[in-house]
Amino acid sequence: QKEVEQDPGPLSVPEGAIVSLNCTYSNSAFQYFMWYRQYSRKGPELLMYTYSSGNKEDGRFTAQVDKSSKYISLFIRDSQPSDSATYLCAIRSNTGKLIFGQGTTLQVKP
Amino acid sequence: EAGVAQSPRYKIIEKRQSVAFWCNPISGHATLYWYQQILGQGPKLLIQFQNNGVVDDSQLPKDRFSAERLKGVDSTLKIQPAKLEDSAVYLCASSFPGGSPDTQYFGPGTRLTVL
Repeated sequence: QKEVEQDPGPLSVPEGAIVSLNCTYSNSAFQYFMWYRQYSRKGPELLMYTYSSGNKEDGRFTAQVDKSSKYISLFIRDSQPSDSATYLCAIRSNTGKLIFGQGTTLQVKP
Repeated sequence: EAGVAQSPRYKIIEKRQSVAFWCNPISGHATLYWYQQILGQGPKLLIQFQNNGVVDDSQLPKDRFSAERLKGVDSTLKIQPAKLEDSAVYLCASSFPGGSPDTQYFGPGTRLTVL
């Protein structure tokens, strides 16, 4: 079993739609849960992170962690064509190592 | 603030040849990471340095891959000899330890094609 599982998509939505991206993880010891965005031929960039359980909101983006079910979610409201990218969930180990999911490719159509 | 620099951006080699990648982290970042990202997958950590010491190299194929970070700044990752399955993007990231969490900043990557 992979430590982090993520549906690779691709996911295609119309502009303005609400997008839901999800991951599951297996190791309950991890405390930091990250979402990275990666544009084509670029390195990943940190979008937001959550510590332990709960929600965190940043503009149109909301990250959610449910530790009881080992489920990580990212919601994008009012999606824009500029949001088209690959979204990678990651969990952070105590040494700083990031364990990434496979990534979900999102396309937002105008 | 300049980002993480990597070179070359692209490299094409034949199998069994050797190749080296270079990374210059953000100034002041003590922690440096090399990740391998195969097409359609998420990045996988190969090696993590803290200054010039190795913190984690558990997923580095040591029979063919080597990495060094002299003087705790720049780093090179080498593959010798390359195999077809080494075709991937090699990402370098750096972070300033002490944050909660310490954010990793990624370079643009080196895209390696092994023929």
